[in-house]
Amino acid sequence: AQSVTQLDSQVPVFEEAPVELRCNYSSSVSVYLFWYVQYPNQGLQLLLKYLSGSTLVKGINGFEAEFNKSQTSFHLRKPSVHISDTAEYFCAVVTNSGYSTLTFGKGTMLLVSP
Amino acid sequence: DAMVIQNPRYQVTQFGKPVTLSCSQTLNHNVMYWYQQKSSQAPKLLFHYYDKDFNNEADTPDNFQSRRPNTSFCFLDIRSPGLGDAAMYLCATSRAGTGRKGNQPQHFGDGTRLSIL
Repeated sequence: AQSVTQLDSQVPVFEEAPVELRCNYSSSVSVYLFWYVQYPNQGLQLLLKYLSGSTLVKGINGFEAEFNKSQTSFHLRKPSVHISDTAEYFCAVVTNSGYSTLTFGKGTMLLVSP
Repeated sequence: DAMVIQNPRYQVTQFGKPVTLSCSQTLNHNVMYWYQQKSSQAPKLLFHYYDKDFNNEADTPDNFQSRRPNTSFCFLDIRSPGLGDAAMYLCATSRAGTGRKGNQPQHFGDGTRLSIL
């Protein structure tokens, strides 16, 4: 079975500062990894995904993530955040084994202040 | 724009009174999902349809049912809502992954927030 750990429930940061949201996964087989963002009272929106190939993945809104197999991590980064990036961020994993569905982490609330 | 639409955005029902939430999609995706999301928690998968094949999660209460009359529509029925069922309900769709792998990104609606009186 797969699982996802997002160590930080909240990350406060000032506008224009860099940010990293951490995600670690646990799986005995290879995985596909996703980051989703959720703004208040809205559904989830895909930020980026890792399926295979280059371990550095670029997504929307200036976000990127790096897949690190040895550390079983998929941390999300942005070099300079905006107020509008304030939202909940979910890391999710699907295993490459038969048919499986997304397992979400508990989410990290990114709070950007002026 | 192709999208996933959930109606209504807000639903209030009485304790024990059946309620139906609806979801429609214009993406023509094979797979449709229903999630329950409680405050400050991750979405929890209730069930999903792979075409007409219904897949129930092991821990989804019997109180929750679903129907998918055609590719475009999917309904969530809560037969006897309890106070603990108050939550945001999210519908999502995806293409079918290669070999039925769930590796295709999911597209979410904006959710229906259900309140129980």
